[in-house]
Amino acid sequence: DTAVSQTPKYLVTQMGNDKSIKCEQNLGHDTMYWYKQDSKKFLKIMFSYNNKELIINETVPNRFSPKSPDKAHLNLHINSLELGDSAVYFCASSPSDRFTEAFFGQGTRLTVV
Amino acid sequence: DAKTTQPPSMDCAEGRAANLPCNHSTISGNEYVYWYRQIHSQGPQYIIHGLKNNETNEMASLIITEDRKSSTLILPHATLRDTAVYYCIVSDIQGAQKLVFGQGTRLTINP
Repeated sequence: DTAVSQTPKYLVTQMGNDKSIKCEQNLGHDTMYWYKQDSKKFLKIMFSYNNKELIINETVPNRFSPKSPDKAHLNLHINSLELGDSAVYFCASSPSDRFTEAFFGQGTRLTVV
Repeated sequence: DAKTTQPPSMDCAEGRAANLPCNHSTISGNEYVYWYRQIHSQGPQYIIHGLKNNETNEMASLIITEDRKSSTLILPHATLRDTAVYYCIVSDIQGAQKLVFGQGTRLTINP
């Protein structure tokens, strides 16, 4: 069983569209995260949730809206996609306050054309 | 912004020790040194972290200089599966999850 699974793995879409990326973890972790890795491989955190509550929001445009229906899921919805949103998006989960035990998903490569 | 500098690439023979250096001359007293790696097309993987003492776990050893301005990650018996980009970051405990990666070192293990 995959510990942290993201769907889809690849997403190609046109500018202006709205899309969602789903993330599920089966590890029983309390905290989940979204990261963005750009074309230069720089990785940056976007959001973190602890028990469905938003903990970190790193100055991400409000076109990005995370949604956590339960602590095993953290989905990322993106409105009005722009070319600059093209990147690999990683979901992760960890026990609360033990980030070094985090597991990452395989990533979703988003390409906006 | 990343506060560390690493060589862009290194090669190592399979079975030998891989020693990856990292400079972090502006590290603060409460900041830890963390090492992660990213194998092609996969998510980051935690390796090890330390404050000032040397650390060892089942994956690697971390040697931190006495002045804490640099460190070395040692993979004692490198295998082909250790080929990856290795990232050294410094952060306090609260900021560790922010994982601001720099360019990292692309380590290639050769048969």
